[in-house]
Amino acid sequence: GAVVSQHPSWVICKSGTSVKIECRSLDFQATTMFWYRQFPKQSLMLMATSNEGSKATYEQGVEKDKFLINHASLTLSTLTVTSAHPEDSSFYICSARGGRYTGELFFGEGSRLTVL
Amino acid sequence: AQKITQTQPGMFVQEKEAVTLDCTYDTSDQSYGLFWYKQPSSGEMIFLIYQGSYDEQNATEGRYSLNFQKARKSANLVISASQLGDSAMYFCAMRGYSGGSNYKLTFGKGTLLTVNP
Repeated sequence: GAVVSQHPSWVICKSGTSVKIECRSLDFQATTMFWYRQFPKQSLMLMATSNEGSKATYEQGVEKDKFLINHASLTLSTLTVTSAHPEDSSFYICSARGGRYTGELFFGEGSRLTVL
Repeated sequence: AQKITQTQPGMFVQEKEAVTLDCTYDTSDQSYGLFWYKQPSSGEMIFLIYQGSYDEQNATEGRYSLNFQKARKSANLVISASQLGDSAMYFCAMRGYSGGSNYKLTFGKGTLLTVNP
């Protein structure tokens, strides 16, 4: 099946620094990728839709200047958490369209961000 | 707007028995898709099964089957012959096919399944 890879799988950073998370579709081209955020023991909340070659579409309440999304190629989308603060600590998961069902979504392994 | 409701925060089942995880949904879309994902403690989201709103037959994938009752707006997941490795969080999700909802998944709050030996 289709594979989506995220890197890094976990990262610890100091407050005020920026952190970049990569999401790659390894064996298919993904024109659209999605970024989700998940707090402990809670559901996944969609942050934004990343479209190759165009600006990302952010969900209501998500700060676009805080969470920068770039989808520069058909196999790579990046999420940059700028000037991270402890409240940004979370599990970030990306997904990409592909697979056997029309528009089936495959998820990356997730990236756990801890901001000290 | 789309909404997914999972009313069981946690479920317990004995190994080798079957278990049903409940999911109800609400949408104004005529065409939509329903998904179940498994999330083990490692965090990855594992796709289990898909049901299209116009599919006449219930979806099945190995030990997983989806009990789709369109009139009741329910899409329960049935896991047969539970295994210890089935212990995980299970999310029901929906995707609409109209306008801006295309390919966006709306998730329920999840059900934590524990399989006892």
